[in-house]
Amino acid sequence: GAVVSQHPSWVICKSGTSVKIECRSLDFQATTMFWYRQFPKQSLMLMATSNEGSKATYEQGVEKDKFLINHASLTLSTLTVTSAHPEDSSFYICSADASYEQYFGPGTRLTVT
Amino acid sequence: KQEVTQIPAALSVPEGENLVLNCSFTDSAIYNLQWFRQDPGKGLTSLLLIQSSQREQTSGRLNASLDKSSGRSTLYIAASQPGDSATYLCAVRSGGGADGLTFGKGTHLIIQP
Repeated sequence: GAVVSQHPSWVICKSGTSVKIECRSLDFQATTMFWYRQFPKQSLMLMATSNEGSKATYEQGVEKDKFLINHASLTLSTLTVTSAHPEDSSFYICSADASYEQYFGPGTRLTVT
Repeated sequence: KQEVTQIPAALSVPEGENLVLNCSFTDSAIYNLQWFRQDPGKGLTSLLLIQSSQREQTSGRLNASLDKSSGRSTLYIAASQPGDSATYLCAVRSGGGADGLTFGKGTHLIIQP
């Protein structure tokens, strides 16, 4: 149980385009999901908290207009990177909350050329 | 603001040795602490979760301890194997269980055959 999927697992896009990443809880419902980012050889940093039916809460330094988060259902949260730039290239990982434990997706590697 | 530090940053030991990875955190008001394993280019594998009221958790050759008052946790790996080679991440959850995780930078472990 408690499986989280992400799609796509990797994506390459051109600078200036937008990319959407999906995070799904497959066998449980999650009121809260989290989005993390990991740059090469760095640890994971929390970007935002996504709550079903309400606006996301962003961590300090994360641009909410650039990283759009939608949590329209109890099993799906999406992260859209708008007007992507090469510096947005990173590993994006989501997690979903179940009984105060977070279950992580496999991650999405984004490369912006 | 919570900060998590992991020592050592890297460790290389011969197969069969017992080893200890250290994690410290600045704010002792945590909800739980979790140890993860991350293989290169991959997502996270949860190893052990310790609630704030617990002192330790064990799973197979792994044992994690928590001393909340001193802000420390250790991950003990017994009889290390080459397959244990990975980066080990320590993460704490604060905010009564509603916040995202704060991660350390990890310990890069190499077990020599």
